[in-house]
Amino acid sequence: SQTIHQWPATLVQPVGSPLSLECTVEGTSNPNLYWYRQAAGRGLQLLFYSVGIGQISSEVPQNLSASRPQDRQFILSSKKLLLSDSGFYLCAFNQAGVGSPLHFGNGTRLTVT
Amino acid sequence: QKEVEQDPGPLSVPEGAIVSLNCTYSNSAFQYFMWYRQYSRKGPELLMYTYSSGNKEDGRFTAQVDKSSKYISLFIRDSQPSDSATYLCAMRANSGGSNYKLTFGKGTLLTVNP
Repeated sequence: SQTIHQWPATLVQPVGSPLSLECTVEGTSNPNLYWYRQAAGRGLQLLFYSVGIGQISSEVPQNLSASRPQDRQFILSSKKLLLSDSGFYLCAFNQAGVGSPLHFGNGTRLTVT
Repeated sequence: QKEVEQDPGPLSVPEGAIVSLNCTYSNSAFQYFMWYRQYSRKGPELLMYTYSSGNKEDGRFTAQVDKSSKYISLFIRDSQPSDSATYLCAMRANSGGSNYKLTFGKGTLLTVNP
């Protein structure tokens, strides 16, 4: 079966520190991968998506970057965190093809202090 | 006008009630419609997935899509306290290429009281 793993579940980081959140998918090959941020009252905001290794599309200019070093691995990074980077970060995947629904990981709650 | 509108609630019902959750949308290109359930501090979980207009039933859950009115609904029969969660609608156009983006509603917070 297809599963998605995301870690850590919670993270508290000081302003100016680096960030690395990791997501891996099992049970499928060549998935589309996504990073979302969810803020209270603001819904889900798509940050990055990837249709293949090394292929990253950015939806929102910001302090974050994403990388896909392997087929089923997606990493969200920052060199220097801002207070405004606090939020709930969700990784998701689906199969290639327009009709495939998204499946989400359990998220990382990031607090920048 | 926002692409997807969803009443944020909160919605509070007694156990056993029928719950109706709704979303309206403005983009007539949307063809794929989804409902997700999200428990507190967890990721959204796919509940229902439909294509174009019509109804789909899965256990106590029924999803309805009315494309002529640009309106989708999720009905929960015999609601249980374990149904207490935030429900998100999501939709996508039937476009090719690399446009796989979902448009989400902001979610409705549901509480089912025992």
